[in-house]
Amino acid sequence: AQSVTQLGSHVSVSEGALVLLRCNYSSSVPPYLFWYVQYPNQGLQLLLKYTTGATLVKGINGFEAEFKKSETSFHLTKPSAHMSDAAEYFCAVSTVTGANNLFFGTGTRLTVIP
Amino acid sequence: DAGVIQSPRHEVTEMGQEVTLRCKPISGHDYLFWYRQTMMRGLELLIYFNNNVPIDDSGMPEDRFSAKMPNASFSTLKIQPSEPRDSAVYFCASSTLRGNEQFFGPGTRLTVL
Repeated sequence: AQSVTQLGSHVSVSEGALVLLRCNYSSSVPPYLFWYVQYPNQGLQLLLKYTTGATLVKGINGFEAEFKKSETSFHLTKPSAHMSDAAEYFCAVSTVTGANNLFFGTGTRLTVIP
Repeated sequence: DAGVIQSPRHEVTEMGQEVTLRCKPISGHDYLFWYRQTMMRGLELLIYFNNNVPIDDSGMPEDRFSAKMPNASFSTLKIQPSEPRDSAVYFCASSTLRGNEQFFGPGTRLTVL
């Protein structure tokens, strides 16, 4: 079975500061990993994904994430937070084999302080 | 492409009434997913279809919930009878092959009074 744990349901950073949102996954087979962002009253939008290949993945809006198999982690980072980054962020996992459904974490709400 | 389309965007109904939520996936996508989002439980997968066939409905809360996909371009999620605890945002998403991203619709905010 697959699962995702997001540490910290709320994270606050100052504008211009580093953003670090943590995600650890559990999977008995090679995972596909995703980060989605949800702005208020909107659906989820893909930020980035890891399937195979390079473990450092770059996404939209300056975000990136690194797949670390030894740590079963896929943390999301951005060097400098912008006010427009305030949103809820979800980490999700699916697998190379098996069904095509995603298992989502509980989400992390990012607040950016001016 | 217009993306995943959901209707209605907002629905307010009274307990006991039937509610039907609608979804049009992106053309060419052969997977369709229904999710429910609440503050208490987060994002929950209710059911998903592959090529119009329900594959996993283990997330459907109870018999009051049913979902259909009569063709590749349309799916419905029905709640009958509705209860206040069904109040949530319901999302539809679609995707292509395994490992590809799911594209989410804007959601339907359901309020059951």
